[in-house]
Amino acid sequence: DADVTQTPRNRITKTGKRIMLECSQTKGHDRMYWYRQDPGLGLRLIYYSFDVKDINKGEISDGYSVSRQAQAKFSLSLESAIPNQTALYFCATSSGQGAEAFFGQGTRLTVV
Amino acid sequence: KNQVEQSPQSLIILEGKNCTLQCNYTVSPFSNLRWYKQDTGRGPVSLTIMTFSENTKSNGRYTATLDADTKQSSLHITASQLSDSASYICVVRNYGGSQGNLIFGKGTKLSVKP
Repeated sequence: DADVTQTPRNRITKTGKRIMLECSQTKGHDRMYWYRQDPGLGLRLIYYSFDVKDINKGEISDGYSVSRQAQAKFSLSLESAIPNQTALYFCATSSGQGAEAFFGQGTRLTVV
Repeated sequence: KNQVEQSPQSLIILEGKNCTLQCNYTVSPFSNLRWYKQDTGRGPVSLTIMTFSENTKSNGRYTATLDADTKQSSLHITASQLSDSASYICVVRNYGGSQGNLIFGKGTKLSVKP
């Protein structure tokens, strides 16, 4: 089983719909991150959380919200999806300052 | 502004050849630098980590270098294989900041042809 699991792996949704992407990890890490990846732009940080009670905006948080339900779970929501949110989304975890980030397999989201 | 720039954007080489990927950064204060390999449609996986005091580190056919004075790193791939075809991402970690401490380059897409 993967250490960082994202569900769903692929999703097509309509403009205006609410959608949630889920991430769970078995590594016991406190830090969790959500990124989106677009061709030619690399990975960009949406939100991050350093523990259950900590939520921080990244560089592109507009249009997104997150919930840290437990140490092992970090969900990303699009309240009203729009086509320019079509992208590959990655969840990542790390154990602390200077530590390696471990990534999930990604969720390919298409908003039509 | 903390930034990581990679070159080239893409590279095509023949199987068995060597290649070198470049990473320049302006991240401060610097914590460490990692090279990640990302296969198409999958999450990035760490290849090497370089800290401030390290100049060279190898992981099999991958050798990373770091010049902390000029803020440059390179990833050298020896005797390339078809399975090396992937994107290689340079990621610099800093202390504090608003990006969760990780600053990503845009990656170099490597294609190894038979």
